[in-house]
Amino acid sequence: EPEVTQTPSHQVTQMGQEVILRCVPISNHLYFYWYRQILGQKVEFLVSFYNNEISEKSEIFDDQFSVERPDGSNFTLKIRSTKLEDSAMYFCASSEGVLSYNEQFFGPGTRLTVL
Amino acid sequence: KNQVEQSPQSLIILEGKNCTLQCNYTVSPFSNLRWYKQDTGRGPVSLTIMTFSENTKSNGRYTATLDADTKQSSLHITASQLSDSASYICVVSGYNNNDMRFGAGTRLTVKP
Repeated sequence: EPEVTQTPSHQVTQMGQEVILRCVPISNHLYFYWYRQILGQKVEFLVSFYNNEISEKSEIFDDQFSVERPDGSNFTLKIRSTKLEDSAMYFCASSEGVLSYNEQFFGPGTRLTVL
Repeated sequence: KNQVEQSPQSLIILEGKNCTLQCNYTVSPFSNLRWYKQDTGRGPVSLTIMTFSENTKSNGRYTATLDADTKQSSLHITASQLSDSASYICVVSGYNNNDMRFGAGTRLTVKP
């Protein structure tokens, strides 16, 4: 059964460093998403991506964040200068369509720890 | 304000027992409501999806209900198993996938 994969599973970095989180969405899906979940809190939407551009982004997704689909399979989230409060689980998701009855399939997440 | 509130925050039950989790929402416009299961350290997995015209949806031992008038949903788990230990998240959506509102989840622990 096709699934969304994410690498690495755990990333530890120093404050101020850049990190790139990687995701491989399900191959026939066209819409891609990044979410964040701070420990013990609810899942929060960061950004959605379609046709090589951002569709929607939340207030959390400020100038330090960027997304890219560099090679037609990978979907990346870059955090330019990490802050302590960026420590969280980051989930990638993908869906066939944008309407909400199209299920989003989530990856296993990357745990980012900023020291 | 578009909100999704879940109760209880956490729940401990014995293996084999039933339980019911609650979700109240104020999200508008409303398109559908999903219940997700999230194992520790993993991404959420969809259990059920209901539109406003559906009252009940079952998936094995999971049964979800929806009252669109009172904006309430419940997830009933029958004959719980140890593997049911997880967080159960209620997600209410508008018309597109950019408009999903997540509840904080109920942490269920099933003990032998």
